[in-house]
Amino acid sequence: DADVTQTPRNRITKTGKRIMLECSQTKGHDRMYWYRQDPGLGLRLIYYSFDVKDINKGEISDGYSVSRQAQAKFSLSLESAIPNQTALYFCATSALGRDEVYEQYFGPGTRLTVT
Amino acid sequence: GQNIDQPTEMTATEGAIVQINCTYQTSGFNGLFWYQQHAGEAPTFLSYNVLDGLEEKGRFSSFLSRSKGYSYLLLKELQMKDSASYLCAVKDSNYQLIWGAGTKLIIKP
Repeated sequence: DADVTQTPRNRITKTGKRIMLECSQTKGHDRMYWYRQDPGLGLRLIYYSFDVKDINKGEISDGYSVSRQAQAKFSLSLESAIPNQTALYFCATSALGRDEVYEQYFGPGTRLTVT
Repeated sequence: GQNIDQPTEMTATEGAIVQINCTYQTSGFNGLFWYQQHAGEAPTFLSYNVLDGLEEKGRFSSFLSRSKGYSYLLLKELQMKDSASYLCAVKDSNYQLIWGAGTKLIIKP
């Protein structure tokens, strides 16, 4: 089984709808991240969490909210979806620590289309 | 502002060698990562550099010069499966990753 899973894998929704993307991990990592990826742009950080009680805004948090329900689960919500939120969304995890490599492990992605 | 530059696209021939460059300007530096991303898939970790010099890992090598804000990824003995995007990312002073837009590498037979 995959270490980092995302549901749904694909979603088409209408403008104004609320939608939740879910991420689960079995790697035992404390840190979890949500990114979006748009063609021609780098991965952009939406929110990140260092543990269940620690949630931080990333570069582009407006229009999004998150919930860290447990160490293994991190959900991203779009309160009122708009077309420019159409993108590929990735969840990622990493181990705790600053001085080691601690690369990020990515889920398979959720392709979201807002019409 | 923070900026990472990579070429948008490169083409190379199967069996050859290709070098993908990355230049960066970030608020602080705590390491540089290279990831590989096949179309429609998740990025996967390739290499990490925090000190100047060359890190070799099989057919892939990564080089870093902190004074020049420069890194490259060198791929040898190219195979068709190496066709992918290669993402450069820098860990800044807040230990967050700043990502380049990626270089799409096309391998021709």
